[in-house]
Amino acid sequence: NAGVTQTPKFQVLKTGQSMTLQCAQDMNHEYMSWYRQDPGMGLRLIHYSVGAGITDQGEVPNGYNVSRSTTEDFPLRLLSAAPSQTSVYFCASTELRGLYYGYTFGSGTRLTVV
Amino acid sequence: AQSVTQLGSHVSVSEGALVLLRCNYSSSVPPYLFWYVQYPNQGLQLLLKYTSAATLVKGINGFEAEFKKSETSFHLTKPSAHMSDAAEYFCAVSDLGSGTYKYIFGTGTRLKVLA
Repeated sequence: NAGVTQTPKFQVLKTGQSMTLQCAQDMNHEYMSWYRQDPGMGLRLIHYSVGAGITDQGEVPNGYNVSRSTTEDFPLRLLSAAPSQTSVYFCASTELRGLYYGYTFGSGTRLTVV
Repeated sequence: AQSVTQLGSHVSVSEGALVLLRCNYSSSVPPYLFWYVQYPNQGLQLLLKYTSAATLVKGINGFEAEFKKSETSFHLTKPSAHMSDAAEYFCAVSDLGSGTYKYIFGTGTRLKVLA
């Protein structure tokens, strides 16, 4: 099925460990983004990309890195996990012109840092 | 920078009653506004969108929203609540007019439907 695929669905990390959250879309969308969702805070933009080789910071970029080597993939890296990064992470994509029309979201990755 | 404010983190209505979820926005340019719904343990799903074509926007599942520029509001309504409407609802604004490509969400309103 076409859409946005996130892996893994669940992950537990120890403080200081690193990991990469994967996001892939097969809709040829130029625009991809990462959000974190925390109770009472809604979704906050971490990083986004308007095309391969182009990334930019969102509202809460500290502690996260991204790269966009292909149109399809937009991985999110945690270099040294902290308990404050415990959250649900969502990847979303759209055509650039689709920013006027809405996102397609992945089903999320629930991350716990202990 | 653009922003949205959702009034009321929790709203309870009886089945069959009117649903009203409030969203106010701040924008220095004409906004593109959206409502999304999130069911438990799922991603977000687009309910409806305002893109300046019409001020009253109809979405899926019987929801609609009215854009009121004078009030900077984009409230979500449904005439008659159904048990299946219980979910969390997010208002969002697309920050395109400023030349960036940010898509900003509100803090969400959790709707509870009482039998």
